[in-house]
Amino acid sequence: TQLLEQSPQFLSIQEGENLTVYCNSSSVFSSLQWYRQEPGEGPVLLVTVVTGGEVKKLKRLTFQFGDARKDSSLHITAAQPGDTGLYLCAGSAGPQKVTFGTGTKLQVIP
Amino acid sequence: GAGVSQSPSNKVTEKGKDVELRCDPISGHTALYWYRQSLGQGLEFLIYFQGNSAPDKSGLPSDRFSAERTGGSVSTLTIQRTQQEDSAVYLCASSLYWGRTEAFFGQGTRLTVV
Repeated sequence: TQLLEQSPQFLSIQEGENLTVYCNSSSVFSSLQWYRQEPGEGPVLLVTVVTGGEVKKLKRLTFQFGDARKDSSLHITAAQPGDTGLYLCAGSAGPQKVTFGTGTKLQVIP
Repeated sequence: GAGVSQSPSNKVTEKGKDVELRCDPISGHTALYWYRQSLGQGLEFLIYFQGNSAPDKSGLPSDRFSAERTGGSVSTLTIQRTQQEDSAVYLCASSLYWGRTEAFFGQGTRLTVV
């Protein structure tokens, strides 16, 4: 069974602060995704990383896939209230179902 | 349609009644997932369909839950004899095939059992 643990579970910060969310597993994943979910909506894909050590940037968001493809991080620079939501990592190891992380609930206070 | 469509968007049912939730995946997507999400929580895996393979039902919480996928497209999640603890948002997602695991989600069905 593949498990993805996210930390922290909850994060409340002031607008303009930086933050990092972690996604860890003992399993190796062929690819890993990050999603953001806003209240009343389904999760929306932010990024997919596939290569160990890969770094992808999406405006103020920086995603990194661990060298061993077992972990990932999401760093947000100068957080904005619009970044508020539930952040979920998800991974798959080949022809298996996607496993979702436990989620990190982020609140950015204006 | 362009995205994953779920219906109904909201369902209120009495305890003990059966409910059916429907998911129309993105056309051409062979993988389909059902998840359950309690208020503000993460996603709880329920069942996974991949093409014509036998579904992975390992996440179904009890034998009151079942799902089928007809013709490799539309899926129905059925909950029999609903209980109050079944109240949650039920999310459906589809992806192109197992090698491409980006999942696209519907907006969910909010089920309330009273």
